[in-house]
Amino acid sequence: EDQVTQSPEALRLQEGESSSLNCSYTVSGLRGLFWYRQDPGKGPEFLFTLYSAGEEKEKERLKATLTKKESFLHITAPKPEDSATYLCAVFISGGSNYKLTFGKGTLLTVNP
Amino acid sequence: GAGVSQSPRYKVAKRGQDVALRCDPISGHVSLFWYQQALGQGPEFLTYFQNEAQLDKSGLPSDRFFAERPEGSVSTLKIQRTQQEDSAVYLCASSPNVRGEQYFGPGTRLTVT
Repeated sequence: EDQVTQSPEALRLQEGESSSLNCSYTVSGLRGLFWYRQDPGKGPEFLFTLYSAGEEKEKERLKATLTKKESFLHITAPKPEDSATYLCAVFISGGSNYKLTFGKGTLLTVNP
Repeated sequence: GAGVSQSPRYKVAKRGQDVALRCDPISGHVSLFWYQQALGQGPEFLTYFQNEAQLDKSGLPSDRFFAERPEGSVSTLKIQRTQQEDSAVYLCASSPNVRGEQYFGPGTRLTVT
């Protein structure tokens, strides 16, 4: 069964304290790995797509990396406005299946 | 530009009632997805449309759930005879193609009492 596991479930940082979130996956037919940010009461907001091992993408204080078994979302010098739930999802396709499979997310809190 | 919109944003239904949830995707997006999100969980896939064709409905939890996209644009998710376990946020997402990034709407929070 395809699985996506995110860790930690929750992370509390001080402003400026860099850290990383992990997303490990066991899927067959991976066609892409996605990172989303979700604020309370809102839909997920697209951050990055990674398609192959070794790929990296950056946006402001965020950097996403991908290996054959996991992805990391590195947060450099976070600010309170980075507080949100970060979701990882894998896209698999094959036969009649076209879907994103999400992890449960990491709730990030950045204190001023 | 306009993103994905969903209506209503909140819906309270009595057990046994039918509900219809609407999704307006980003103009020109071929692919449309529905997800269900329980509190504290990630979204779970329900169904996928490419234009008006429903290509994957493997995530629909029961035959009480039905989705359509008759003209390849607006989509409706219908839940018949709602049950308490149907209480969740229902998210719609659209994408320019099946493999690309999906853009989500704000969701409809359904509460079944």
